[in-house]
Amino acid sequence: QQKVQQSPESLIVPEGGMASLNCTSSDRNVDYFWWYRQHSGKSPKMLMSIFSNGEKEEGRFTVHLNKASLHTSLHIRDSQPSDSALYLCAASRNTNTGKLTFGDGTVLTVKP
Amino acid sequence: EAGVTQSPRYAVLQEGQAVSFWCDPISGHDTLYWYQQPRDQGPQLLVYFRDEAVIDNSQLPSDRFSAVRPKGTNSTLKIQSAKQGDTATYLCASSDRADTEVFFGKGTRLTVV
Repeated sequence: QQKVQQSPESLIVPEGGMASLNCTSSDRNVDYFWWYRQHSGKSPKMLMSIFSNGEKEEGRFTVHLNKASLHTSLHIRDSQPSDSALYLCAASRNTNTGKLTFGDGTVLTVKP
Repeated sequence: EAGVTQSPRYAVLQEGQAVSFWCDPISGHDTLYWYQQPRDQGPQLLVYFRDEAVIDNSQLPSDRFSAVRPKGTNSTLKIQSAKQGDTATYLCASSDRADTEVFFGKGTRLTVV
């Protein structure tokens, strides 16, 4: 039973476009959400984290969190070919924020 | 600052063979994780340590997998009698006590034929 579900499985956007990725946890005990990016053959690297309801923006990346529905979304504006990667969403509990449960990811392809 | 170091980067085994993976976490990080990432899936936690103590190994297939971190620094993950279903990338990760971020190594890509 997958506790973190991500959608879509894959996404193609044109260079300069907006990419929107979704993630929902079925574990009502989670408190923290993390977004990681993994380029092909590389290790996952954390992009952003969010713990509170609302929105958080860092450069071209914006994350939203609705704690009531345990839904988070990642939005990438002005997408670049270098953004092409596997985007992984993870959730954890405040009793152990480092113990991450990952979804299977969204493969983003940005077409020049 | 050096990141999480893993070796080997690749391993190819026949079914029934044994293999060990080694991990050196970021200096000062007390928590070390081992994840298994099958192709086209997200990482799945196998086991994690705080210092030398195992905190959670509930997802470790205990009959064939074992992991140790004897001095609370480096760690070894061993698979006895590998199966084709073990084919995956094995990622080591570490974090400090605040757990503000988990850092991953480059992984060991294992193929069992």
